[in-house]
Amino acid sequence: GAVVSQHPSWVICKSGTSVKIECRSLDFQATTMFWYRQFPKQSLMLMATSNEGSKATYEQGVEKDKFLINHASLTLSTLTVTSAHPEDSSFYICSARALAGGPNEQFFGPGTRLTVL
Amino acid sequence: GEDVEQSLFLSVREGDSSVINCTYTDSSSTYLYWYKQEPGAGLQLLTYIFSNMDMKQDQRLTVLLNKKDKHLSLRIADTQTGDSAIYFCAERGAGAGSYQLTFGKGTKLSVIP
Repeated sequence: GAVVSQHPSWVICKSGTSVKIECRSLDFQATTMFWYRQFPKQSLMLMATSNEGSKATYEQGVEKDKFLINHASLTLSTLTVTSAHPEDSSFYICSARALAGGPNEQFFGPGTRLTVL
Repeated sequence: GEDVEQSLFLSVREGDSSVINCTYTDSSSTYLYWYKQEPGAGLQLLTYIFSNMDMKQDQRLTVLLNKKDKHLSLRIADTQTGDSAIYFCAERGAGAGSYQLTFGKGTKLSVIP
């Protein structure tokens, strides 16, 4: 089946540093990838939609200069949290949409736990 | 905007059936999904239903959709301890290229041995 991986699975960093999270579709090509943020005991909040070869579309309230998204190939999207602060600590989940259509065509990664000290 | 609501907690005894309910507001929803999330993990798609269907059964899982009332439910038969997790209801709107999902807050299912 379709597999999406994320790297790293968890990261701890100091306040003010930048952190890059990778999202890869391992056995399919993904024209669109989505980045979500999940707070403890909360739902997934869509941050941005990333299309291969074009600029990401950010949801209202998400700072595009803080959360940089690059979708350079059909199998890789990256989310960079710039100048991270403790309030950026969260669980970040990506999903990838396969080229072939269908109702369940969005596949989720295992998530990345970011802790900013 | 679209909204998806779920009860936050459900506790059942092992072997009983679990019913998790969800309501949504987007009348143009095309597909509705149920995802399972275990602690520290991503989301696993359990099942989905197209909006013109009333019911879908897949082994121990039964999904019921009342489109008029915008109510979706997930029934898990013979609930096991391994079913303990958070279950998210999600809906996908209509419109060309609309692949975004709107999630509920999740229902934490606790199975008592």
